[in-house]
Amino acid sequence: AQKITQTQPGMFVQEKEAVTLDCTYDTSDPSYGLFWYKQPSSGEMIFLIYQGSYDQQNATEGRYSLNFQKARKSANLVISASQLGDSAMYFCAIRRLQGGSEKLVFGKGTKLTVNP
Amino acid sequence: DAGVTQSPTHLIKTRGQQVTLRCSPKSGHDTVSWYQQALGQGPQFIFQYYEEEERQRGNFPDRFSGHQFPNYSSELNVNALLLGDSALYLCASSFTQGFHEQYFGPGTRLTVT
Repeated sequence: AQKITQTQPGMFVQEKEAVTLDCTYDTSDPSYGLFWYKQPSSGEMIFLIYQGSYDQQNATEGRYSLNFQKARKSANLVISASQLGDSAMYFCAIRRLQGGSEKLVFGKGTKLTVNP
Repeated sequence: DAGVTQSPTHLIKTRGQQVTLRCSPKSGHDTVSWYQQALGQGPQFIFQYYEEEERQRGNFPDRFSGHQFPNYSSELNVNALLLGDSALYLCASSFTQGFHEQYFGPGTRLTVT
């Protein structure tokens, strides 16, 4: 069964610095996808970045990049030049394919606080 | 282009009552998934609808049921509400041929008293 582990309940970073949020996963599927979502206090899950298991390069989206280490089964999110608006919950998720349909399995999340 | 919308935003119900939550997917999306997010937890998959059929179901009791309409919008129904059903209910839509992104709605916060 797919499982996501986020070991950092909370992280603090100074504005304009970079921060890494950890994510490890467990899956027996040969092909899978990894997602990161941001959830502000308003509750909406905002898609940040996606990494396919067969992608040769690490995914990047603006200030977000994914440090994908397949052998270690880790998919850490790196946020560069942190901004106050980055303060939120961050969830790592893995795509699970079952019966021809797909769903996401989420970790418990990391609460990021950006200090001025 | 409207994103995923959900209604209502907040809801307070009494134990034993029934509730219906609604979701309209992002334009062009044909698949709707529902997730339950308890306080301090990550979202948990409830079920997914495609072509008006329940295609996959998570580990939730039969008190949780759903429906998808021809316009791809969806409803989540919960019967015989329990205190433990209090949570944020998130709807996500995607295009069945491209699951690279699931777009989530703002959620419905359900409180059962």
